[in-house]
Amino acid sequence: DTGVSQDPRHKITKRGQNVTFRCDPISEHNRLYWYRQTLGQGPEFLTYFQNEAQLEKSRLLSDRFSAERPKGSFSTLEIQRTEQGDSAMYLCASSQWDRGEAFFGQGTRLTVV
Amino acid sequence: KQEVTQIPAALSVPEGENLVLNCSFTDSAIYNLQWFRQDPGKGLTSLLLIQSSQREQTSGRLNASLDKSSGRSTLYIAASQPGDSATYLCAVRYLDQAGTALIFGKGTTLSVSS
Repeated sequence: DTGVSQDPRHKITKRGQNVTFRCDPISEHNRLYWYRQTLGQGPEFLTYFQNEAQLEKSRLLSDRFSAERPKGSFSTLEIQRTEQGDSAMYLCASSQWDRGEAFFGQGTRLTVV
Repeated sequence: KQEVTQIPAALSVPEGENLVLNCSFTDSAIYNLQWFRQDPGKGLTSLLLIQSSQREQTSGRLNASLDKSSGRSTLYIAASQPGDSATYLCAVRYLDQAGTALIFGKGTTLSVSS
C-alpha cells in the first residue's frame, strides 16, 4: 500500500487550455474526494465519489470542471478552458468508509499563465 | 455557516518547548475532527482522528483533545523539534453537512528553531 497517488505533481498550462489530473486512491478505499487549496487557505471540498458514483458536488465546481471515477478505482479531474483563477493545488483524498479517516495524496500544483 | 477557525495563524518556538495549537468550530453537532500536517508544497499527512464520542487521542508526542460543548479542539505537541516545523490543519465533519466533506481551517504555521 503506497498511499494516495496523484499525477502529475506539477502542471503549467496556458489560459484556455484543458488539463486533466489523475488520482489513485488507497486500494481498499471506496470513498474518493477532490479538494482545492489556494495559498494561505485550507483545502476546499470540490466533489466526492462512493465507488463509481459521484454523490456530491460543491458549488465551487463550475461547469468547466468534470470528474470521473470509472470502475470505482482511479479518478480523473478535468478542467476545460482554464483560467488564471484555477491556479491552485488540487488534492485527492480517500477513506475506507463513510466519514472515516481521510488520507491525502501529494497534490497536483496547477499554474495557469 | 459552518466554519473552522485556527488561532494563532503562525507560531515560533525554540526547540524543546511544549506547545498548543487551537481549533474552534461553529457547531457542536460534529461527527469527527481530524488534525493534519502539511509541509510546504506538499499534500496533507493525517496526524489524529477524534470521533465525536471521544475526548482525546494520542500518538507519540502529539495529543489532541475535543470539547464539543465549547466547540474547541487542541493539538498539544510535546518537546518540539525542528522537524515539527510545518502547517497544522484542523478539519471537521459536521453531522448535517451534505455529503461527507471535511471543513478545514486555514491552519497554524509552526516554526521550531534549533
